[in-house]
Amino acid sequence: DIQMTQSPSSLSASVGDRVTITCRASQTINNYLNWYQQKPGKAPKLLIYGASILQSGVPSRFSGSGSGTDFTLTIASLEPEDFATYYCQQSYITLSLTFGGGTRVEIK
Amino acid sequence: EVQLVQSGVEVKKPGESLKISCQASGYSFSNYWIGWVRQMPGKGLEWMGFIYPGDSDTKYSPSFQGQVTISADKSISTAYLQWSRLQASDTAIYYCARQYSSTFYQFDFWGQGSLVTVSS
Repeated sequence: DIQMTQSPSSLSASVGDRVTITCRASQTINNYLNWYQQKPGKAPKLLIYGASILQSGVPSRFSGSGSGTDFTLTIASLEPEDFATYYCQQSYITLSLTFGGGTRVEIK
Repeated sequence: EVQLVQSGVEVKKPGESLKISCQASGYSFSNYWIGWVRQMPGKGLEWMGFIYPGDSDTKYSPSFQGQVTISADKSISTAYLQWSRLQASDTAIYYCARQYSSTFYQFDFWGQGSLVTVSS
């Protein structure tokens, strides 16, 4: 299995802050990397696919970058509704899709 | 509007069987893979497997192979996840999700989740 490691596991930030979350794969996955947002008690929501392609309807303050083993999700200016847990997911090995452990973004 | 509506809360005893459902609407059910994802209490997301309803081709995560069965009935646009003998460790929320493309395997629409509690 490809292991996906996210850092940090949690962070505290204020509205308006720029937030960066990192996801590292245990082997190269090219750009087969997706990002999801999950709020408490809700299903995950797709934000970014193919490492950098913004899903339709997702605000442009979200962006993704990276290729190979290292990827980032950036929130340019944190809004109150962005406090949630974020997960990366690799799809390079299609019969063994794996998620990162999650990054919880909390209000400072 | 694409929607995935899952069956509700289940409370079962160890050793019992269970089948939960995920009914799709708003798109051509037969033409998109549907995946299942487990979330244990307070934990992250785990991919279990997916099915292509058009021909019932099914793929399982090695971690879940032999532990669950994924199926679909395209006549009623519904996918299923079933267990023959539940264990306490199956307690979790189970999500179904549509897989949009065969390139990036992103899950673009999700059901609301089915909470399964297994306790004696």
